[in-house]
Amino acid sequence: KNEVEQSPQNLTAQEGEFITINCSYSVGISALHWLQQHPGGGIVSLFMLSSGKKKHGRLIATINIQEKHSSLHITASHPRDSAVYICAAHYLGGGSNYKLTFGKGTLLTVNP
Amino acid sequence: KAGVTQTPRYLIKTRGQQVTLSCSPISGHRSVSWYQQTPGQGLQFLFEYFSETQRNKGNFPGRFSGRQFSNSRSEMNVSTLELGDSALYLCASSERQGAANGYTFGSGTRLTVV
Repeated sequence: KNEVEQSPQNLTAQEGEFITINCSYSVGISALHWLQQHPGGGIVSLFMLSSGKKKHGRLIATINIQEKHSSLHITASHPRDSAVYICAAHYLGGGSNYKLTFGKGTLLTVNP
Repeated sequence: KAGVTQTPRYLIKTRGQQVTLSCSPISGHRSVSWYQQTPGQGLQFLFEYFSETQRNKGNFPGRFSGRQFSNSRSEMNVSTLELGDSALYLCASSERQGAANGYTFGSGTRLTVV
């Protein structure tokens, strides 16, 4: 069964702290996405990666294919980083069928 | 470049009614996928359209359907609404099927069924 497990479910941090959110998945993905969702619902795609590491500003995403694990790191966290972070695995099915399977999300609250 | 546009933003419907939601993808994007988000189930994949054809479908009943037009705009329809259909419905567009180069999400349509 194609599943995506995220941890922790909730995370509270003080401004400036280093944040790590973890995601594990099953075999057979073609890519892994990290998404950010602010209150009100809009989703922003932060990263899509299939190997290695990507960095954008204070955000870093890594993926370990052998361990079927990905992490999202936020350096020098800020209250505006408060949001739900969602990991989504792009599973390669039969033929050319792809499906995004989502984790339950991590609610991050950064206090000033 | 305009983003993904979903209309309407908010909708209130009565049980038993039907509803149609619209999604206009980014210009040049030919794939549109739809998702349902509820507090209990989180985000779930509904279906994906590419070149006016449904290419992939999630595990939802037949009351949920969709279509894509020649200009890549997509609509999804839910018939015989149930209270449990209350959710945020999101669409995302990508250049190609399978989104090997990433998705762009719309802001969603929040549907409330009363």
